[in-house]
Amino acid sequence: AQSVTQPDIHITVSEGASLELRCNYSYGATPYLFWYVQSPGQGLQLLLKYFSGDTLVQGIKGFEAEFKRSQSSFNLRKPSVHWSDAAEYFCAVASSGTYKYIFGTGTRLKVLA
Amino acid sequence: ETGVTQSPTHLIKTRGQQVTLRCSSQSGHNTVSWYQQALGQGPQFIFQYYREEENGRGNFPPRFSGLQFPNYSSELNVNALELDDSALYLCASSLGGASYNEQFFGPGTRLTVL
Repeated sequence: AQSVTQPDIHITVSEGASLELRCNYSYGATPYLFWYVQSPGQGLQLLLKYFSGDTLVQGIKGFEAEFKRSQSSFNLRKPSVHWSDAAEYFCAVASSGTYKYIFGTGTRLKVLA
Repeated sequence: ETGVTQSPTHLIKTRGQQVTLRCSSQSGHNTVSWYQQALGQGPQFIFQYYREEENGRGNFPPRFSGLQFPNYSSELNVNALELDDSALYLCASSLGGASYNEQFFGPGTRLTVL
């Protein structure tokens, strides 16, 4: 069965520091992978997605993610975090033959001024 | 272009009652997916509607049902509410039901069951 693991429930970084949020997935074939951000009281906003091709994916708000098939990972990175990045981040997986997304449990990011 | 909207924003019900949540999809989108997000969890897929037909369903009991209307708006109905149904309910619209079609999420409806 497909699954997504986000090992870090909470992460705290200082403004201007770099960020990496971890995501591991379990899926037999090549998955479709997504990162979403959720601010308090808001719905989910897509940051970036990977379907195929270049394993380094650029997204909005300066985020990027790298697909590593050998490690079953799709970690999200940002070189310099801004206070407005404080939010909850969700990794999700889907397959080409299905319609549903499977989400991880999320990582809550806190940014220190 | 109007985004995905949901109503109501918040709702309080008691055990055993029934509830209807509503979702208006983004202009031009013909597919709506519903998710349940319990506190501290990621969203879990309930079902998807594509052109007024249920296109797939997650691991939720039959008391969770839905509708999609000709204008592609949608309703989620939950009968015989249980305490564990307390959650944020998200709908997402897309152009097509395949997983490569980007899903645009609404702000959600917060349901509290007492």
